[in-house]
Amino acid sequence: DTGVSQNPRHKITKRGQNVTFRCDPISEHNRLYWYRQTLGQGPEFLTYFQNEAQLEKSRLLSDRFSAERPKGSFSTLEIQRTEQGDSAMYLCASSFRLAGGNEQFFGPGTRLTVL
Amino acid sequence: LAKTTQPISMDSYEGQEVNITCSHNNIATNDYITWYQQFPSQGPRFIIQGYKTKVTNEVASLFIPADRKSSTLSLPRVSLSDTAVYYCLAKTGANNLFFGTGTRLTVIP
Repeated sequence: DTGVSQNPRHKITKRGQNVTFRCDPISEHNRLYWYRQTLGQGPEFLTYFQNEAQLEKSRLLSDRFSAERPKGSFSTLEIQRTEQGDSAMYLCASSFRLAGGNEQFFGPGTRLTVL
Repeated sequence: LAKTTQPISMDSYEGQEVNITCSHNNIATNDYITWYQQFPSQGPRFIIQGYKTKVTNEVASLFIPADRKSSTLSLPRVSLSDTAVYYCLAKTGANNLFFGTGTRLTVIP
């Protein structure tokens, strides 16, 4: 399977703990995105990388959140001092820029539950 | 960012054609209209994208009138496996997508 993969698929943690998620994009894609989705809502944009450069961050991405894409391949999203409000599905997507294109390829997501 | 408005939910019987309309009154000249499908516990999946008139692929058709203030996603002969949430997006090929709450389609046997 050459699609976007995310690990772990599920994470349960206690409030105050740190968690890290990993995303492996489609290999030839130079753009990588993180989204968060809560129940009944559509995905909300968090941040975006082009190669290893983080070019855009949403206001949703508080200072407890940090994302990296060190070699322009896989990416990690870390949440420090988790809060119950961080419970959500965290989605990663990748794309290869085409003129006018909005096609992003999404992974299956990591479901985070903060107790 | 062009705000989109679409029905919250729709029901359809198996085998029928389903049309989901989306309004995007403030769509910009450079904006494309894109539709995504999402099944429970999965990431969204790109269905179709268009700029004007009609686009058809193996999954769906997208109809866009000349004023581009609305668009209609058409799913021919739906099956139970088409039960999902469908998102209409109208945004330039920029860096992030705004999904809204989508239309929850339920296909009934």
